[in-house]
Amino acid sequence: ELKVEQNPLFLSMQEGKNYTIYCNYSTTSDRLYWYRQDPGKSLESLFVLLSNGAVKQEGRLMASLDTKARLSTLHITAAVHDLSATYFCAVVSLGGSQGNLIFGKGTKLSVKP
Amino acid sequence: SQTIHQWPATLVQPVGSPLSLECTVEGTSNPNLYWYRQAAGRGLQLLFYSVGIGQISSEVPQNLSASRPQDRQFILSSKKLLLSDSGFYLCAWTPRTGLGSQPQHFGDGTRLSIL
Repeated sequence: ELKVEQNPLFLSMQEGKNYTIYCNYSTTSDRLYWYRQDPGKSLESLFVLLSNGAVKQEGRLMASLDTKARLSTLHITAAVHDLSATYFCAVVSLGGSQGNLIFGKGTKLSVKP
Repeated sequence: SQTIHQWPATLVQPVGSPLSLECTVEGTSNPNLYWYRQAAGRGLQLLFYSVGIGQISSEVPQNLSASRPQDRQFILSSKKLLLSDSGFYLCAWTPRTGLGSQPQHFGDGTRLSIL
């Protein structure tokens, strides 16, 4: 059974600081997705990582995937308040005809001035 | 472009009452469709997915059911709601080819409160 673990689950950081969120998963998968969720809102896709060594960047966020280590990271550079949200990673479970997404529990990020 | 609609946005229901949540996708054909539930402060739990009309797969046993009467319509139902059914319900879709370079796209969600 595929399990996805994120850490930390809660992260409070100051504006301008850097930090990394980690996403570990338990079985082989070559597709990983990062989502952002604002309070009371739906999920917004941030990154799609499709191969070992994939790196994607958007603004102050950079995501990477190491399929051999079964690890993805979401790095935050010089955080700003607008980045406050909950971030989820999700990994494709290869069972079933299409594969389904298994989500981590999310990392709630709070950026303080 | 493709869009996904869910309604209602908010719903307050008494215990034991029935439920019907609707999700429709526009701008694509033969999508895979999904229902998730998110309990307060927690991650997403996949409830049902569908790869075609009338084809429903259930991921967890519960008093909920799903139906897909049309290609781009996905309905979540219950005959008798329980307190534990409270949560944020999200519908999502992917192209028929499945999860690849496109992620799952989520609707705006329905916040369901059971009293």
